[in-house]
Amino acid sequence: GAVVSQHPSRVICKSGTSVKIECRSLDFQATTMFWYRQFPKQSLMLMATSNEGSKATYEQGVEKDKFLINHASLTLSTLTVTSAHPEDSSFYICSARENRDIQYFGAGTRLSVL
Amino acid sequence: DAKTTQPPSMDCAEGRAANLPCNHSTISGNEYVYWYRQIHSQGPQYIIHGLKNNETNEMASLIITEDRKSSTLILPHATLRDTAVYYCIVSAGGTSYGKLTFGQGTILTVHP
Repeated sequence: GAVVSQHPSRVICKSGTSVKIECRSLDFQATTMFWYRQFPKQSLMLMATSNEGSKATYEQGVEKDKFLINHASLTLSTLTVTSAHPEDSSFYICSARENRDIQYFGAGTRLSVL
Repeated sequence: DAKTTQPPSMDCAEGRAANLPCNHSTISGNEYVYWYRQIHSQGPQYIIHGLKNNETNEMASLIITEDRKSSTLILPHATLRDTAVYYCIVSAGGTSYGKLTFGQGTILTVHP
């Protein structure tokens, strides 16, 4: 299957700082990428849909000013958690959709905000 | 997108076939059935998907009933590394094009 790389795999930051997470499709071009969040013992929750060259579409209840998404190229989308607080601590996962309508997922980023 | 129903947990002996059921009685004609699995603390892994015909790949087989209201994922020879949460998802085009809605899935435990 296609490969999606997510970086970093783990990040610890102080409250109030911003954190950027990168998602790259390594062997295919992805017009659309997705960002999910997963809290312990819960399922994945879609946060936003990222389309190359246009603004992201956020799911209801997700603050677009707090979770900034940029999809500047067909192989890279970034999620920036601005002014992170302890309640933002979670497992963030990206996916990229390739041309057979299959989403391939990154390995995830575990964010811990102190 | 249609909702799916899966048993919360299943057990399987190593080397035996694991048959994971999924109900999707409200599936629409243009919705595919996708199966993913998530091993602890990793991103989901794509397994297989289908529209109405049965599908097979190197990982698994997908059997979809003729009325498309249910399906079964078959892992032909389960190993300990197949222990994971398995998600059955239906998804189609339109305004929700490509979106995957994850439910609680089935926790499959493969034991020696």
